[in-house]
Amino acid sequence: DGGITQSPKYLFRKEGQNVTLSCEQNLNHDAMYWYRQDPGQGLRLIYYSQIVNDFQKGDIAEGYSVSREKKESFPLTVTSAQKNPTAFYLCASSRDARKGETQYFGPGTRLLVL
Amino acid sequence: QKEVEQNSGPLSVPEGAIASLNCTYSDRGSQSFFWYRQYSGKSPELIMSIYSNGDKEDGRFTAQLNKASQYVSLLIRDSQPSDSATYLCAVGHFGNEKLTFGTGTRLTIIP
Repeated sequence: DGGITQSPKYLFRKEGQNVTLSCEQNLNHDAMYWYRQDPGQGLRLIYYSQIVNDFQKGDIAEGYSVSREKKESFPLTVTSAQKNPTAFYLCASSRDARKGETQYFGPGTRLLVL
Repeated sequence: QKEVEQNSGPLSVPEGAIASLNCTYSDRGSQSFFWYRQYSGKSPELIMSIYSNGDKEDGRFTAQLNKASQYVSLLIRDSQPSDSATYLCAVGHFGNEKLTFGTGTRLTIIP
C-alpha cells in the first residue's frame, strides 16, 4: 500500500524544546517537501530535497532544520528558534522536483505549543 | 501581486448545480497546473492536473487551462454536499523545483 506517512498526528511542544516530525514515503519518489499551513492561509514551503543528502531552504526556513539520509525519509525538526510554531505541517513528495510534477501529501502533523 | 491568486470565497452553490472555481497566475512560463481538494483538518488531495490549453474532464470534474490569459479553472458538475471543501490551485514550472500554491477557495454546497 503505497503512500506517505507522517507521525505523530498531534505534537505538543514546550517552550525551548526542539521537536522532530517524521515523514516517510514508499512511492520511490526522489523529491520531498515540508510545508506549513496556518488557518486561512495557503501552504508555505519550509524545506525541500531533490536527492539524498541534499536539501534547499524554502520560503520560511528560519527556525527549522531537516535531513535526508535516506530516500524514503525526510524528518523536520522545529527548533526553539521558531517562535510561533503552532501550525499544521504537511509533508509531500513528487517523482522529480525539477519537472514541476504532481506533489502528493501525507496526512499532516498538528503542532501545538504548551 | 501574488503569484497564484484565487478568490478566497466562501463560494456557495446549490446541490446539483455547477461550481466554478478560478485561479490566475503571474508566471507566463508556467507549464503544470493542479487542483487539490482539502477537507477541514485534512491534507490536500489531488483532483486534477492539466498541462495543455483546453479542457480536461474526469468524471464530474473539468479543468480548463488558458495560458494566453493565464488562468486555470475547475468546474464541478452536479455538485454534492461532499464537494464542500477548500480547493487549492497550484502552478509549476519545469526547471523550477517548487510548486506555487494559491491560498484556496472555500466551497460550500447547499443541500
